Amino acid sequence: DAKTTQPNSMESNEEEPVHLPCNHSTISGTDYIHWYRQLPSQGPEYVIHGLTSNVNNRMASLAIAEDRKSSTLILHRATLRDAAVYYCILRDRRGSTLGRLYFGRGTQLTVWP
Amino acid sequence: NAGVTQTPKFRVLKTGQSMTLLCAQDMNHEYMYWYRQDPGMGLRLIHYSVGEGTTAKGEVPDGYNVSRLKKQNFLLGLESAAPSQTSVYFCASSPTLWTGPRDTEAFFGQGTRLTVV
Repeated sequence: DAKTTQPNSMESNEEEPVHLPCNHSTISGTDYIHWYRQLPSQGPEYVIHGLTSNVNNRMASLAIAEDRKSSTLILHRATLRDAAVYYCILRDRRGSTLGRLYFGRGTQLTVWP
Repeated sequence: NAGVTQTPKFRVLKTGQSMTLLCAQDMNHEYMYWYRQDPGMGLRLIHYSVGEGTTAKGEVPDGYNVSRLKKQNFLLGLESAAPSQTSVYFCASSPTLWTGPRDTEAFFGQGTRLTVV
């Protein structure tokens, strides 16, 4: 299964943009890139996902490299409520591993007021 | 709309006791998952199910069993609890993946904090 690599932690000041990187050099052509986040004492929640093109939604933007071996989650203006662990995940849709959803350790984002 | 509900929310077990964690979803999702999360760690997949009556092993299946007799329920069993199974357990569900060019998101419960003493 293709894996992802993220920094253990990042910091930002409130109202500044945040760029959270993820490397996935062994991604396959049918893997979707998903991002989830986990607020303290809660279950993870979906943030955004994409395949090849950059994506935007009300929470964030996802920038995907042309070779798809890396991606960046962009929070345009960080707030204190964005402090969480952010997970970059490849959604495996093939064969016997169809439906499996693996998380890693993610990136702990600290936002300073 | 309840989403994904986990029962119980907290439990303390003695070593060797057995218990079952219940996960229920009301979104008619095909896929369901059980994860454990230990301090400072991410989520590790224990078992998952791609449909009623089917289950599969994840990353850390040893010491756990699961059943999916009804589409809306996914049960996680500990036959003989050990202190190493002290953790926070999360259940998740998601629709069928292959519905076309779009993929779908997973929805998580609020977790069950289990302590084995």
